[in-house]
Amino acid sequence: TQLLEQSPQFLSIQEGENLTVYCNSSSVFSSLQWYRQEPGEGPVLLVTVVTGGEVKKLKRLTFQFGDARKDSSLHITAAQTGDTGLYLCAGGSGNQGGKLIFGQGTELSVKP
Amino acid sequence: GAVVSQHPSWVICKSGTSVKIECRSLDFQATTMFWYRQFPKQSLMLMATSNEGSKATYEQGVEKDKFLINHASLTLSTLTVTSAHPEDSSFYICSARRGAEIREQYFGPGTRLTVT
Repeated sequence: TQLLEQSPQFLSIQEGENLTVYCNSSSVFSSLQWYRQEPGEGPVLLVTVVTGGEVKKLKRLTFQFGDARKDSSLHITAAQTGDTGLYLCAGGSGNQGGKLIFGQGTELSVKP
Repeated sequence: GAVVSQHPSWVICKSGTSVKIECRSLDFQATTMFWYRQFPKQSLMLMATSNEGSKATYEQGVEKDKFLINHASLTLSTLTVTSAHPEDSSFYICSARRGAEIREQYFGPGTRLTVT
């Protein structure tokens, strides 16, 4: 069974600080996605990475897919209170019957 | 775009009753839909995979007789929680896959179920 270990699970920082969230696995994924979810709502897709070593930027968010496609990171620069939420990574692999494998999630709180 | 809706967005029911949640893909056809359950501040837990025209595949530990899934058309899947109990209270989220790519999964807004 493929697993995605996401860390940290909880993060509380001050506005303006930088942070990094990690997703690691011993298995290879064909793609990896990052979502942000607010309370009472469904996950919203932020980015999909598919190529080993790929780096994608979305304003202050930088996403990286490991060379071996086993890990990924999300880096937020100069966090804002509006970044508060639950961040989820999810990997796709043909070995799991078309299912997405989710990490445990990172609950981010950015304080003013 | 790829929009998935859920209905209702929230529901309160009494213990022992059944409740049905609908998941619809509004602008694409989805041969496969997924049902997840989520507890506060936790990740999504896959309950079952729903395939149009065939029986759903349930994850280990999920009672198929309690959580009935029907995928009657390419745009609609339903989850019925039968004989609901307070421990079934949770946030239920569906997703619909467009095409064959695993990453082409689009999530609904979720349904909050409270069983009293």
